[in-house]
Amino acid sequence: GNSVTQMEGPVTLSEEAFLTINCTYTATGYPSLFWYVQYPGEGLQLLLKATKADDKGSNKGFEATYRKETTSFHLEKGSVQVSDSAVYFCALSGSPGGYQKVTFGIGTKLQVIP
Amino acid sequence: DSGVTQTPKHLITATGQRVTLRCSPRSGDLSVYWYQQSLDQGLQFLIQYYNGEERAKGNILERFSAQQFPDLHSELNLSSLELGDSALYFCASSVAPQTTNEKLFFGSGTQLSVL
Repeated sequence: GNSVTQMEGPVTLSEEAFLTINCTYTATGYPSLFWYVQYPGEGLQLLLKATKADDKGSNKGFEATYRKETTSFHLEKGSVQVSDSAVYFCALSGSPGGYQKVTFGIGTKLQVIP
Repeated sequence: DSGVTQTPKHLITATGQRVTLRCSPRSGDLSVYWYQQSLDQGLQFLIQYYNGEERAKGNILERFSAQQFPDLHSELNLSSLELGDSALYFCASSVAPQTTNEKLFFGSGTQLSVL
């Protein structure tokens, strides 16, 4: 079945540091890939997505590139802010049997300190 | 605000009891998904409904059941509760189930504590 593996946190960075959160996946066919973010006390919300190989999703300074050859979708940001402190989930959406099924990674907690 | 409403926000109950969690999807969304989030298991898919019918099942226990009503709201019923059922339960919605690049809209969750 489909699965997503992402680095376990917590990740603690100083403000303006470079961020990388690794994500790799296993899936049949050609899934779409997503990063969701969960701020404290809130539900998940979509951060960015990529629907085919070599696509780059970007939003709010975050980027991730769909790498089919390495089955990866690493999240990066050049300069993090305190407000980026949240839990980040890598996810994939496949349609086994014709039904959309979204599989999430375990989540990586990011803490940015001033 | 995602447009997905979950009630109640917090629920405290005892082992062996039964509770019902409610979800109203975003206006126009026909698909509802339930997820369980715990510290050790991460975000686990439980079940999906589309326009009143069950469409996909994940790691849902037999003690748990769900349904989607004609007005498209959904309820997740948890019975014979155990301490290990304590978790954050999320509902999400989307327009349709059959496009792979469609995003989900999440509610803010119901925190269940079983004492």
